[in-house]
Formats: sequence, structure tokens, C-alpha cells
Amino acid sequence: GQQLNQSPQSMFIQEGEDVSMNCTSSSIFNTWLWYKQDPGEGPVLLIALYKAGELTSNGRLTAQFGITRKDSFLNISASIPSDVGIYFCAEDGNYGQNFVFGPGTRLSVLP
Amino acid sequence: NAGVMQNPRHLVRRRGQEARLRCSPVKGHSHVYWYRQLPEEGLKFMVYLQKENIIDESGMPKERFSAEFPKEGPSILRIQQVVRGDSAAYFCASSPRTAKGEKLFFGSGTQLSVL
Repeated sequence: GQQLNQSPQSMFIQEGEDVSMNCTSSSIFNTWLWYKQDPGEGPVLLIALYKAGELTSNGRLTAQFGITRKDSFLNISASIPSDVGIYFCAEDGNYGQNFVFGPGTRLSVLP
Repeated sequence: NAGVMQNPRHLVRRRGQEARLRCSPVKGHSHVYWYRQLPEEGLKFMVYLQKENIIDESGMPKERFSAEFPKEGPSILRIQQVVRGDSAAYFCASSPRTAKGEKLFFGSGTQLSVL
């Protein structure tokens, strides 16, 4: 079955630093979704990517859909304490199938 | 517009009891997904339903678990004869499932605790 890998698993950064995380797969996908989950809450959609090479920004967040359609990265610039949480990538490889989620990257921001 | 609504937020059951988790999708969304999350772990797919149909239940245990999404009313995830290992957060998500621009919107989850 489809599997996604995310790296790093966790990261500790200082407030104000930039963050980069990525998501890879052995399969080709049509859609990449990036989510953030706060403790005790459901994941919230941050950015959706639909075309290979697509680069999309949402405030301090930037994500790109890899040219090979097998990877994606998410960058956060000038991190702030509320960026703390778990960041998941998800894919919808073939219409009609379920969305598969990566294991997540746990981000901690130190003041 | 209301988002995905799940209830209850917290559910406590004793071993052997039944748990019923409810999910009302975003208005106009006809596709519902259920995911399970254990502490410190990711989201594991359980079942994907369209109105009155189960599309993919490959992630759902064969026994004790069932799901439905009737023509009217919320989607229900039902766990019979709960065991301690069923303790987890259960998230529901919905999607309009158009041909392009797929997005999944999540509820706040139901935290199930089995005593």
C-alpha cells in the first residue's frame, strides 16, 4: 500500500528561525496536502498542492509539489511559539481511494 | 458555514460496552472518512463512506467495528464490546470529492477512553 515518510520526525528550533520539513513517497501522487495539528484538536489544512512543480504560499508558510510527484516540502519562515504542533503531509494518489497521512513532524519552538 | 461536527468530544466506556461516535460533515459534503490516532502517533485510515455506501473499509478491523453514513443524519462509527486497546482519538473528516481540488476537512475528534 501507499506509504509516506516525513523528515525530520521532530525538531526543536529557536523562535524566529526558519523551518523546513519534507515528505516523500515511492508512489506518484496527484495531490499533496499539508496539515497542522494542535494538541487535543483535529488537523487543520494549511496548504493544498495539485500540480507537479507547484509552489504555494500561505502567510509565512510555503510548500512545493516535487517535479517527480513523489515528494513535497513545507517551509515556515520566522517561526513563532504558536507554530508548535504536529505537521502532517497527506496524499490522494488515485481518485476513489482514501487519503493517506505521513507519520508527522513534531515541531517545538523555544522562546 | 459550520465545519465538521463530532460528538461527543469525550466518551468513557467500560470494557464490553458499545461506543457510538457521531460525525456531521460540512454542509454539502457527501464523502466522510474516519481516522484513528493513538497518542504520539499519526492518523490511521479506517473507513471511507459516501452517502449510503461504504467505498473503502480496508483500514477498519473486521470484527466489532462498523460504520454507516445514511441518507439522512450523521455518519456513525460503532464499536461493539470495546476493549482497552480501542482507547484512542477518533477523527472524522469530510470532502466534497469533486474531480479537482480535493481537500479533507477534519472535526475536533472524539477521545474514547475504555476503562
